[in-house]
Amino acid sequence: EADIYQTPRYLVIGTGKKITLECSQTMGHDKMYWYQQDPGMELHLIHYSYGVNSTEKGDLSSESTVSRIRTEHFPLTLESARPSHTSQYLCASRGRPYNEQFFGPGTRLTVL
Amino acid sequence: TQLLEQSPQFLSIQEGENLTVYCNSSSVFSSLQWYRQEPGEGPVLLVTVVTGGEVKKLKRLTFQFGDARKDSSLHITAAQPGDTGLYLCAGHDNYGQNFVFGPGTRLSVLP
Repeated sequence: EADIYQTPRYLVIGTGKKITLECSQTMGHDKMYWYQQDPGMELHLIHYSYGVNSTEKGDLSSESTVSRIRTEHFPLTLESARPSHTSQYLCASRGRPYNEQFFGPGTRLTVL
Repeated sequence: TQLLEQSPQFLSIQEGENLTVYCNSSSVFSSLQWYRQEPGEGPVLLVTVVTGGEVKKLKRLTFQFGDARKDSSLHITAAQPGDTGLYLCAGHDNYGQNFVFGPGTRLSVLP
């Protein structure tokens, strides 16, 4: 059973607002990931981290930023939300020894 | 870049039928995972297969990893409406660096 949490589950905000999507895991995993997924579409990697103070951009360009100050916490921030940011954001961490990824329940973001 | 292909893309069947979905690649994977995702939720890990030729069973679901570790299949016996969802395969290459997802098979089981 994976222990990875995301808040909020749903968020509706206006254009121009700054938001932070929270992700935390209690499994002590070093590697964590953020994916973006539109309804009925594939997962796209937007950020990842191999440990504290490590962050990298993923395959899909994103205007969001991430930080990794603590192993268990990997928040994603949008400085100025736009309607084009409307999507589902999924956080994951990578387990051992088989490197499988465990996902949180996701945050469904709607920017009006 | 390694790609995972899944087939079929869509599958709609009646309750009680059996089905098999496939995950294929031209590359060798150190492990493969199968996930099920429901709308608005994150993917839930069903199984990890590691050894070529390995077969794992999870109630009515049977997972197989190809001998060459390039392909995998998921067989569901007597499908139920609760099996409806998007089935994703995913895996790491032999170096453990690149984790890739297949595009998924969208299964609908009608009562």
